[in-house]
Amino acid sequence: KNEVEQSPQNLTAQEGEFITINCSYSVGISALHWLQQHPGGGIVSLFMLSSGKKKHGRLIATINIQEKHSSLHITASHPRDSAVYICAVRSGQFYFGTGTSLTVIP
Amino acid sequence: NAGVTQTPKFRILKIGQSMTLQCTQDMNHNYMYWYRQDPGMGLKLIYYSVGAGITDKGEVPNGYNVSRSTTEDFPLRLELAAPSQTSVYFCASSYFQLGTNTEAFFGQGTRLTVV
Repeated sequence: KNEVEQSPQNLTAQEGEFITINCSYSVGISALHWLQQHPGGGIVSLFMLSSGKKKHGRLIATINIQEKHSSLHITASHPRDSAVYICAVRSGQFYFGTGTSLTVIP
Repeated sequence: NAGVTQTPKFRILKIGQSMTLQCTQDMNHNYMYWYRQDPGMGLKLIYYSVGAGITDKGEVPNGYNVSRSTTEDFPLRLELAAPSQTSVYFCASSYFQLGTNTEAFFGQGTRLTVV
């Protein structure tokens, strides 16, 4: 069993929809990262959070330390948001989820 | 800043061949990492470095070697390529240790196929 589980694995949405990607983890953590992997393969760090909520443009990330759960929300989704979104946590070492593949259809 | 630069982007190796994946960062980051990404699996840490001259094994180091002679460069060496090393490899860097209050920067990835 992975230390980090993401859901859903795949997600297709219509442009403009509100999207939620979930991340649950089973270890005590010092921080959680959300990463975006572009179709070309490159990975970009979106957020690093250890409590509460962070917002950047149309992206919002929340974390509930007690429930060991984080969510990534995308408001007013756009086709350029199509990517794989990866949740990663630090607990001693770094653990990565397998990613959520998002496709936004025009 | 170029960020993290990985070369090559694609490579096909025959079993038993060797190669070096290059990774360079121009952000003066102390920490550098090599990960591999296999289908349906999360990224796995191969090796990492906390500064020039210091390297350490990650979760899946077998079959690989690294060096860190400068702050900027962190090459990954495959000595005897095996089909199990077919994967996508990512180099990453950060100023502080990943998981602390630090941004992580990733390279574009190297898709390696061993036949």
